[in-house]
Amino acid sequence: EPEVTQTPSHQVTQMGQEVILRCVPISNHLYFYWYRQILGQKVEFLVSFYNNEISEKSEIFDDQFSVERPDGSNFTLKIRSTKLEDSAMYFCASLGGMNSGNTIYFGEGSWLTVV
Amino acid sequence: AQSVSQHNHHVILSEAASLELGCNYSYGGTVNLFWYVQYPGQHLQLLLKYFSGDPLVKGIKGFEAEFIKSKFSFNLRKPSVQWSDTAEYFCAVREGGNKLTFGTGTQLKVEL
Repeated sequence: EPEVTQTPSHQVTQMGQEVILRCVPISNHLYFYWYRQILGQKVEFLVSFYNNEISEKSEIFDDQFSVERPDGSNFTLKIRSTKLEDSAMYFCASLGGMNSGNTIYFGEGSWLTVV
Repeated sequence: AQSVSQHNHHVILSEAASLELGCNYSYGGTVNLFWYVQYPGQHLQLLLKYFSGDPLVKGIKGFEAEFIKSKFSFNLRKPSVQWSDTAEYFCAVREGGNKLTFGTGTQLKVEL
């Protein structure tokens, strides 16, 4: 089964530092997402990306966050100046079309710890 | 805005017991419904999905779910759970756009 891959699997960073989380979505998928899950809480939508631009974002996705698809394969989430409350598991996901079962597939997550 | 409710936050069962996890959503229009499972230390994996047609859908590992439109529900069931089913289960809804809205999750522990 095709996979969404994410790096790093775990990152510890100091408050105020910039963090970039990387994702390689499933090839030929068209929609890309970032979700996050704070420990003990539900999975929350951050942002969706289609056709090289943000198609939707949540209230959580403020000016400290940005996404980019710098080349044909990577999809990155940047947190400009991390806060303690950004500590969470960040999931990348991608969605194909009807030929892909119209299903969102998730990566294994990047666990971010802000200290 | 769409909301998804999972009323059981923690469930503990013995092996071979039957399982039913509740999921209700708020949107009244056409929805796609999903159950995802997250085993300890792993990513979200799709268990099953409903788009249209037969409201009783079968997924992997013996799970099934029934869509009841009149009750806005999509409950997950398994007749006989195993220890390896210990995981967190998330119901999710897609309402026409392309994002998923998740429920709060149900932590299932199956005891030997």
